[in-house]
Amino acid sequence: DVKVTQSSRYLVKRTGEKVFLECVQDMDHENMFWYRQDPGLGLRLIYFSYDVKMKEKGDIPEGYSVSREKKERFSLILESASTNQTSMYLCASSFGRGNIQYFGAGTRLSVL
Amino acid sequence: DQQVKQNSPSLSVQEGRISILNCDYTNSMFDYFLWYKKYPAEGPTFLISISSIKDKNEDGRFTVFLNKSAKHLSLHIVPSQPGDSAVYFCAASFYSGGGADGLTFGKGTHLIIQP
Repeated sequence: DVKVTQSSRYLVKRTGEKVFLECVQDMDHENMFWYRQDPGLGLRLIYFSYDVKMKEKGDIPEGYSVSREKKERFSLILESASTNQTSMYLCASSFGRGNIQYFGAGTRLSVL
Repeated sequence: DQQVKQNSPSLSVQEGRISILNCDYTNSMFDYFLWYKKYPAEGPTFLISISSIKDKNEDGRFTVFLNKSAKHLSLHIVPSQPGDSAVYFCAASFYSGGGADGLTFGKGTHLIIQP
């Protein structure tokens, strides 16, 4: 059974703080993704990675960066959190191309 | 520009009847389509997928139909059950030549199954 684990379910941070969201998958998947979900907007792709140390911008990368030092772990970094980054953040992983993405439970981030 | 559209924010269906959720897309390069189901405070769960070389895929109570000429797909749930009440997201991808495919999601349809 595929397991994608996000380190926190809920986070509250202050404007300007540096924020790390961590994601770990246990299925040796090559690909990992970060999305955010906002009411009325669906899920939007922030960044993805298809290999260790590789990263690609998604549709809304501004204000975010990522790190993938190990195959199983993919981190999303908010260098200086802003209130418009308050959202539900979802991590996913997949094997190969065109395959199913498996999602974690999400991290609800509030930036005050 | 929204490339994947789910024009019905919500849909109410009686238990036991058929639920039909619709999705339209604009990018003709999309070649793989998926449906996800999401409960509140949980991550999306994969439901069913279809490749652009097919026009139908079935898995138990769930069937997805793809009409490439109309750039339209639909998810049929028969019979609908109370546990099907959730938000359903349509998603699409295409092979861009890179090593992975991000998904483009619609905004979701909230399906409510009434007893």
